[in-house]
Amino acid sequence: EDQVTQSPEALRLQEGESSSLNCSYTVSGLRGLFWYRQDPGKGPEFLFTLYSAGEEKEKERLKATLTKKESFLHITAPKPEDSATYLCAVQERSGGYQKVTFGIGTKLQVIP
Amino acid sequence: SQTIHQWPATLVQPVGSPLSLECTVEGTSNPNLYWYRQAAGRGLQLLFYSVGIGQISSEVPQNLSASRPQDRQFILSSKKLLLSDSGFYLCAWSLAGPIYNEQFFGPGTRLTVL
Repeated sequence: EDQVTQSPEALRLQEGESSSLNCSYTVSGLRGLFWYRQDPGKGPEFLFTLYSAGEEKEKERLKATLTKKESFLHITAPKPEDSATYLCAVQERSGGYQKVTFGIGTKLQVIP
Repeated sequence: SQTIHQWPATLVQPVGSPLSLECTVEGTSNPNLYWYRQAAGRGLQLLFYSVGIGQISSEVPQNLSASRPQDRQFILSSKKLLLSDSGFYLCAWSLAGPIYNEQFFGPGTRLTVL
């Protein structure tokens, strides 16, 4: 069964303290890996898509990387406004539909 | 640019009552549409997806149903709600076609069944 595991479940950082979130996956034939940010009570906001091992994407203080087994979301010098739950999702082909499996997420809290 | 709307934003319903949640997308044509449910401490669970008008696929057997009466309208329904139907319901869209596309989510509906 396809699985997406995110770690840690929760992370508390001081403002400016860089860290990484992990997303490990087991799918038969990865087609794409997505990162989302979700604020409490809101829908997930799309951040990045990664398609192949070695690929990297950056947006402000966030950088996503991909290997054959996992992805990392690096947060450099985080600010309190980066506090949110970060979701990882993987996509594979399942018949004619591109099935997407989501992880439970990492809840990030950045303390001023 | 594309936007996705969901309503209502919050809903409190008694057990056994009917349900209708609506989702509309603007700024794109023939999107793939999805309904997800998010429960506390659990990942997003895909309920239904649609690749076109009247074309609905169900991922999880349950007392919910979905319909797509128009290209950019997706409706989630139930004839009789259960307590277990409580949760955060999210509608999403993606571009259609054979390439692999990210999904974009609406603001969600918080449903509480009492």
